[in-house]
Amino acid sequence: GEDVEQSLFLSVREGDSSVINCTYTDSSSTYLYWYKQEPGAGLQLLTYIFSNMDMKQDQRLTVLLNKKDKHLSLRIADTQTGDSAIYFCAEDTGGFKTIFGAGTRLFVKA
Amino acid sequence: NAGVTQTPKFQVLKTGQSMTLQCAQDMNHNSMYWYRQDPGMGLRLIYYSASEGTTDKGEVPNGYNVSRLNKREFSLRLESAAPSQTSVYFCASLSGTGRTGELFFGEGSRLTVL
Repeated sequence: GEDVEQSLFLSVREGDSSVINCTYTDSSSTYLYWYKQEPGAGLQLLTYIFSNMDMKQDQRLTVLLNKKDKHLSLRIADTQTGDSAIYFCAEDTGGFKTIFGAGTRLFVKA
Repeated sequence: NAGVTQTPKFQVLKTGQSMTLQCAQDMNHNSMYWYRQDPGMGLRLIYYSASEGTTDKGEVPNGYNVSRLNKREFSLRLESAAPSQTSVYFCASLSGTGRTGELFFGEGSRLTVL
């Protein structure tokens, strides 16, 4: 069945790069997403990648997709304390359903 | 723009009580969703409504019912609350008219069942 897995915690120092990894199971997924959840708030779309792309860059964010291994990663360059949040990997199975991972809580130490 | 609005934001229930979570969106989206968020388990889909007049079960529908009242509103009802339903509930709507797209989320409803 469909499943999305990601590690639960990541701690980095301010100014370093953060890399959050995710694996998914549905090879037919059209889009893969990264959502961000700040404390006490709902999720907001951070970035996404279409399944026929290998990489997407958006300012400090770089998304890498390895379709063969079904592996997705999000790199945040020059991580700031404001980047502290929970980051969810998600796959779009195309049937009105988006499947989410458990979320990676990013701690940024000043 | 209000986006997706959920009420109430907080609720405490006793086991066996019933309640309805309300959700409304003002973005003219066709599809709406209810998720629950539990620590270490991410978001799990309870029910969704692909369009006005239709509802379908998600991953964890037991103990819940939904109503798509009109295009704007999608409510979630707990008929007889259980402690296992203590969670944070999120309503979301899907942008665009197709089967994929960006989800817009409400701020969440934190429910505690004693």
